[in-house]
Amino acid sequence: QKEVEQNSGPLSVPEGAIASLNCTYSDRVSQSFFWYRQYSGKSPELIMSIYSNGDKEDGRFTAQLNKASQYVSLLIRDSQPSDSATYLCAAGTDKLIFGTGTRLQVFP
Amino acid sequence: DTEVTQTPKHLVMGMTNKKSLKCEQHMGHRAMYWYKQKAKKPPELMFVYSYEKLSINESVPSRFSPECPNSSLLNLHLHALQPEDSALYLCASSQVPTGGGETQYFGPGTRLLVL
Repeated sequence: QKEVEQNSGPLSVPEGAIASLNCTYSDRVSQSFFWYRQYSGKSPELIMSIYSNGDKEDGRFTAQLNKASQYVSLLIRDSQPSDSATYLCAAGTDKLIFGTGTRLQVFP
Repeated sequence: DTEVTQTPKHLVMGMTNKKSLKCEQHMGHRAMYWYKQKAKKPPELMFVYSYEKLSINESVPSRFSPECPNSSLLNLHLHALQPEDSALYLCASSQVPTGGGETQYFGPGTRLLVL
């Protein structure tokens, strides 16, 4: 069974720190990977997509992909209280497979 | 513009009611999806409509039935639901089906409560 695994958290970081969110996936044929942010009671919002090994940066966010290790991560620099949310990792094959999400808490 | 709209935002229905959820996208996307999300769980795929073909998650009960009137609209008809069907129902779309690695964009969701 295709799986995406994340630590459920909560991950607590102080304001201004780097938050590191991790994800592993089981299906080696997955080619596309996504990070979504979901605030409580709201719908998932795309943060980053990554398709190739290495790093991809967008503002305060950096996604990292290592296909050999089947590992995806998201770094959030200068974390803000408004970043407090659940972060969903997803792997794309014939459909999107979501992890259970990591809850991030950024405290002032 | 990456907007997917859903109506209604909230819906309360009894187990004998028939209701419909609506989803619309104006991005020219060729694939649309319905997901169900329970609290503290990830979204679960229910249906995919792409290139005029419907794909169904076989675990979805028949009391849920999708309808695609045109390429920008996707409805979800609800009939004789159970209280355990209460959840956030999410619609998403992508330029082509996700098998090609395309990004899915989500609508705001419909919060459904079945009494």
